[in-house]
Amino acid sequence: GAVVSQHPSRVICKSGTSVKIECRSLDFQATTMFWYRQFPKQSLMLMATSNEGSKATYEQGVEKDKFLINHASLTLSTLTVTSAHPEDSSFYICSARDPQGIYNEQFFGPGTRLTVL
Amino acid sequence: AQKVTQAQTEISVVEKEDVTLDCVYETRDTTYYLFWYKQPPSGELVFLIRRNSFDEQNEISGRYSWNFQKSTSSFNFTITASQVVDSAVYFCALSVRNDYKLSFGAGTTVTVRA
Repeated sequence: GAVVSQHPSRVICKSGTSVKIECRSLDFQATTMFWYRQFPKQSLMLMATSNEGSKATYEQGVEKDKFLINHASLTLSTLTVTSAHPEDSSFYICSARDPQGIYNEQFFGPGTRLTVL
Repeated sequence: AQKVTQAQTEISVVEKEDVTLDCVYETRDTTYYLFWYKQPPSGELVFLIRRNSFDEQNEISGRYSWNFQKSTSSFNFTITASQVVDSAVYFCALSVRNDYKLSFGAGTTVTVRA
């Protein structure tokens, strides 16, 4: 099956720093990737849709200047949390749409746990 | 807009009991896709099952089975003879044709005690 990786799996940073999270599709080309955020004991909330070669589409309430998304190639999307603060601490999950799929299936990465001190 | 409701917040069972997870969805689209995912403590989402809106046939896959009923907009999921390793958060999700976004339910935490 299709594999999506995320790096790093866990990151701890100081308040005010920027953190970059990478999402890679390892064995397929993903024209569309998604970024989700999950707070403890809550569901996944879609932050943005990342399209290769174009600007990301952000969900309502998500600050695009805060969460920078770049999808420069068909296998890589990055999420940069700029000037991170403790309230940005969360579990960030990316997914990639199966381009061959007929069920709108998404393949999920293992997630990145961000802790901002 | 799509909406997925998982009314059960937590379920606790003893090993070997069956567990049924409820999922009710809302959409105006006639073509849509339903999914169940499992999220163990490690955090990684594990795909379990999917169904499209045109296929109401219910199936069994190993210890998993599902009951899809369009008349009640429900997509319930059952784990038969539960095991401790089934302890996780289970999410029901929905997407519609031409919009690849997934709408997730709130999740149901299943605890299987030995």
